[in-house]
Amino acid sequence: ETGVTQTPRHLVMGMTNKKSLKCEQHLGHNAMYWYKQSAKKPLELMFVYSLEERVENNSVPSRFSPECPNSSHLFLHLHTLQPEDSALYLCASSPWDRGEQYFGPGTRLTVT
Amino acid sequence: AQSVAQPEDQVNVAEGNPLTVKCTYSVSGNPYLFWYVQYPNRGLQFLLKYITGDNLVKGSYGFEAEFNKSQTSFHLKKPSALVSDSALYFCAVREVGGLTGGGNKLTFGTGTQLKVEL
Repeated sequence: ETGVTQTPRHLVMGMTNKKSLKCEQHLGHNAMYWYKQSAKKPLELMFVYSLEERVENNSVPSRFSPECPNSSHLFLHLHTLQPEDSALYLCASSPWDRGEQYFGPGTRLTVT
Repeated sequence: AQSVAQPEDQVNVAEGNPLTVKCTYSVSGNPYLFWYVQYPNRGLQFLLKYITGDNLVKGSYGFEAEFNKSQTSFHLKKPSALVSDSALYFCAVREVGGLTGGGNKLTFGTGTQLKVEL
């Protein structure tokens, strides 16, 4: 599909669990992003990393914790989530300061 | 703050007919504008962008978009729709300049579901 992969594709977790979402880009890009996509709502930008430094945190609750160990990998660590956090979580990457972003297929998260 | 409006939740069109998916935007400076498409259970796929130059931008799969500064619009068009074009379409805008430290921040519309029928 694209040069951005995400695992797992589907995740069901309880409110007390801890899990992590993984994103990997094979495009040589410098910036990576996490988005939340809920039904009938615009895409919500959560975090932006540029050259492994976080440059944007869009008022995301602390139960979501991002990690960017290198320019190719991005993680989203999840703990004590709420049912309203159920959504499709999309990862994207882009070249340095270029407009278009390239998206992975997403992780469908269900919090029970 | 920048914003994007997609006034139609759904657009229905017959195969072979032209299609238009509408988008209007609001930014304080010059915009970068984008169209993405999302098929079921997939991520967003980049279609085309406008940064500067010719107001008519051509993209993937025969799609094009027209930038109209006076109307602050960036409508997506295709001369002849295919059933396989049925998907969710998103318009997005970015202000020139990007984020301090690198990367860029796109603001997306709520999406328009395109349904192409035989």
